[in-house]
Amino acid sequence: GAGVSQSPSNKVTEKGKDVELRCDPISGHTALYWYRQSLGQGLEFLIYFQGNSAPDKSGLPSDRFSAERTGGSVSTLTIQRTQQEDSAVYLCASSKRRGEGETQYFGPGTRLLVL
Amino acid sequence: AQTVTQSQPEMSVQEAETVTLSCTYDTSESNYYLFWYKQPPSRQMILVIRQEAYKQQNATENRFSVNFQKAAKSFSLKISDSQLGDTAMYFCAFMKGMGAQKLVFGQGTRLTINP
Repeated sequence: GAGVSQSPSNKVTEKGKDVELRCDPISGHTALYWYRQSLGQGLEFLIYFQGNSAPDKSGLPSDRFSAERTGGSVSTLTIQRTQQEDSAVYLCASSKRRGEGETQYFGPGTRLLVL
Repeated sequence: AQTVTQSQPEMSVQEAETVTLSCTYDTSESNYYLFWYKQPPSRQMILVIRQEAYKQQNATENRFSVNFQKAAKSFSLKISDSQLGDTAMYFCAFMKGMGAQKLVFGQGTRLTINP
């Protein structure tokens, strides 16, 4: 079946602009995660959605970052007033259900460059 | 908080050789899961192998196996009969058994298989 998809693949924006990154998880997966991969910070957890529960936003680096998940499927990560330090690869992952140690399946990521 | 350390930033071996990637972690949790992910230049993170901490038996997947030493908090990956397609970044990751199922990643090891 289809894997996790993300769009756009690459995004170049100017400092101060808002950007939206999209993630389409594997069909039937109830858990969805966003991670950020940058040269300086490595791979960091950003936010986690599980079913209809309130999301775990503990990894969001500032209030410029927000995410939503509509209808328990597609998710959008929004970065407002982008800064150069936001340049990174944003990875989305999904997993089957809320259980212990569920394997997360990753999308190909969105590479964001803030000029 | 959990931390994951990969002490080898880069490794290089000849095709068909065996290579071992190191990973140590720090946690006070008794129930957790450990993963190795591979990230080729395409950016797609691919699961290589998964280990439940409560299992003493080391996980194996074809040419890939782990040496899980719970007391030492060590989780190394052995790749046997290495192939050119194994060239990638390899990330060790930790997941708590309870609560938010977010992954905590090491800094990665860049592995190059030479012909």
